[in-house]
Amino acid sequence: DSGVTQTPKHLITATGQRVTLRCSPRSGDLSVYWYQQSLDQGLQFLIQYYNGEERAKGNILERFSAQQFPDLHSELNLSSLELGDSALYFCASSPLQGTGELFFGEGSRLTVL
Amino acid sequence: DAKTTQPPSMDCAEGRAANLPCNHSTISGNEYVYWYRQIHSQGPQYIIHGLKNNETNEMASLIITEDRKSSTLILPHATLRDTAVYYCIVRTTGANSKLTFGKGITLSVRP
Repeated sequence: DSGVTQTPKHLITATGQRVTLRCSPRSGDLSVYWYQQSLDQGLQFLIQYYNGEERAKGNILERFSAQQFPDLHSELNLSSLELGDSALYFCASSPLQGTGELFFGEGSRLTVL
Repeated sequence: DAKTTQPPSMDCAEGRAANLPCNHSTISGNEYVYWYRQIHSQGPQYIIHGLKNNETNEMASLIITEDRKSSTLILPHATLRDTAVYYCIVRTTGANSKLTFGKGITLSVRP
């Protein structure tokens, strides 16, 4: 158990819909990262937050947005969903900004039908 | 961040050492080598990292060549539970530095 909690574990929805994935980082960790893993793309970095502020952006689509709240939990919002958005979405946390030692949650599996 | 190259797969016998190679010939002086693994769609798990010295922890050992162009992750006594995809990643320590995963190497531990 990494200490990072992600909900929901599984989500099935239809194209065009919007979903929110939630992540609670390890106690005390200020950095939160979001990754997407699909069969054909592997693990793709989406976005990083540190203490509520966006710090780095990767291959995140404009239909996707994220935020980190004052209590440090984070949400990833996915809208106008397409079939290709079906994937595992992982959240990770770390205590520092510069460290490469990330603690990953078990992921949220999104299926878009 | 520098690119890494790993063979797509390898296997080893249970109880034997598993030596997982990684090439990172374009690594620069301020880049670290990180290893993660992912067991069947679970969240990736940090294993170990190093800059230029060899490192060891309770999970594995990391051997980095003197020129730092390649490294080897060693699992000293592989078990069936070590079957996973292992990712070798090169990364700086900047605050905005990303952890970029490649395809990794699939290690299969056979009984």
